[in-house]
Parts: sequence; structure tokens; C-alpha cells
Amino acid sequence: AQSVAQPEDQVNVAEGNPLTVKCTYSVSGNPYLFWYVQYPNRGLQFLLKYITGDNLVKGSYGFEAEFNKSQTSFHLKKPSALVSDSALYFCAVRALTGGFKTIFGAGTRLFVKA
Amino acid sequence: KAGVTQTPRYLIKTRGQQVTLSCSPISGHRSVSWYQQTPGQGLQFLFEYFSETQRNKGNFPGRFSGRQFSNSRSEMNVSTLELGDSALYLCASSLGLGEVTEAFFGQGTRLTVV
Repeated sequence: AQSVAQPEDQVNVAEGNPLTVKCTYSVSGNPYLFWYVQYPNRGLQFLLKYITGDNLVKGSYGFEAEFNKSQTSFHLKKPSALVSDSALYFCAVRALTGGFKTIFGAGTRLFVKA
Repeated sequence: KAGVTQTPRYLIKTRGQQVTLSCSPISGHRSVSWYQQTPGQGLQFLFEYFSETQRNKGNFPGRFSGRQFSNSRSEMNVSTLELGDSALYLCASSLGLGEVTEAFFGQGTRLTVV
């Protein structure tokens, strides 16, 4: 069965510092990996995805993520955090063996302090 | 291009009642997925519909059901409501033509069971 783990419930970072939100996955076959962000009282918004190719994927709002097959990880990163990045971040995996259903992690709340 | 529309936005029901939630996907999208979001559990996959057929189902009791119409609009029904069903229910639409497309989420229906 496919699964996603986001080991940190919360990440705190100062504005201007780099941020990392961690994600590991378990899936049979090739994974398709996604990051979404949720602002208060809003639905989820797509940030970026990894399908194949370059392990470093760039997405919206200056975010990027690195796919590491050996560590089964897909960590979200940003070189310089903004206060407006404060939100709930979800990692998700979709795989053929799961019937293409998309499974989400529990979410990581990011706090960026001014 | 209109986004994913979920109605109603807020709902208060009494234990034992039943409820129907509606989701209108983005025009041209044929896949609709439903998720339950609670503070402690993150996003839990309910089911996915594609071209009026249920393609995937999560681990929820039979009280949770859904359907999709020929215009891709989808409804989700919960019968015999329990207090634990209180949650934000999110609908996501995608093209559904392959495994690589990201999902677009509605703002959700917040269901409170009293």
C-alpha cells in the first residue's frame, strides 16, 4: 500500500532563512509526487510535482523540491522564507499500484517569523 | 476559467441525519476525488470518480457514498451522521487522462454534526 509521511507537525523558521519541509513516501513502482499548500479557510493549491527527469523540481512562489529515490524522499525547500509562506503544507503521492488514487501526508504547519 | 465549486460551504446537522454535498469540477475535468480533512488525521481519501464510475475507494464505512453525473458533477452522501463525521470535506478535480495531472481543490464544505 502507498503511504506518505511528513515527520514534522510544525516547522518554524525566521524570515529570510532557508526552509525545508520533509516528506518521505512508500510506494510500489514509480511514484508521482506532489506538494500542495493550504492557507486558512481555503482549499489546497498545487505547488509542484515530480513525474520523471531532473530530480530537482521548481514550482510556484519560489519553492522547489528534490526527489531522492534511494531515500524515498521528496523534501520541499525554499532559499529564503517569507512571512506570507506561513501555511499548511501537504505532500502527496500517486502511483499505478494504488490505482492512481492520490494519498496525502498529514501535513506540516510552517510558521515564518518576521 | 471557473474553479472547483463546492456547495454548501457550511452545514450543521444532527446526529443520525443524512447529508449530501455537491462538487462542480473545472470545465473539461472528468475526474473528481473527495477527501475528509480533520485536524488530527490530515487528508483522508474517500473516493475518486471518473466518467461516472468509481475508480478508487478509501477506507471509510458504507455510510459514505458518492456518485458522478454525466456532466462530471459529483455528489457525496453521508447517512446516519455521527459526531466524528464533523470535518472539512474537500473535492478535487483533475483531467483524469493520466496519472501525472495535478488536482485542483474546491474551498470545501465544513460539516458540523451536533
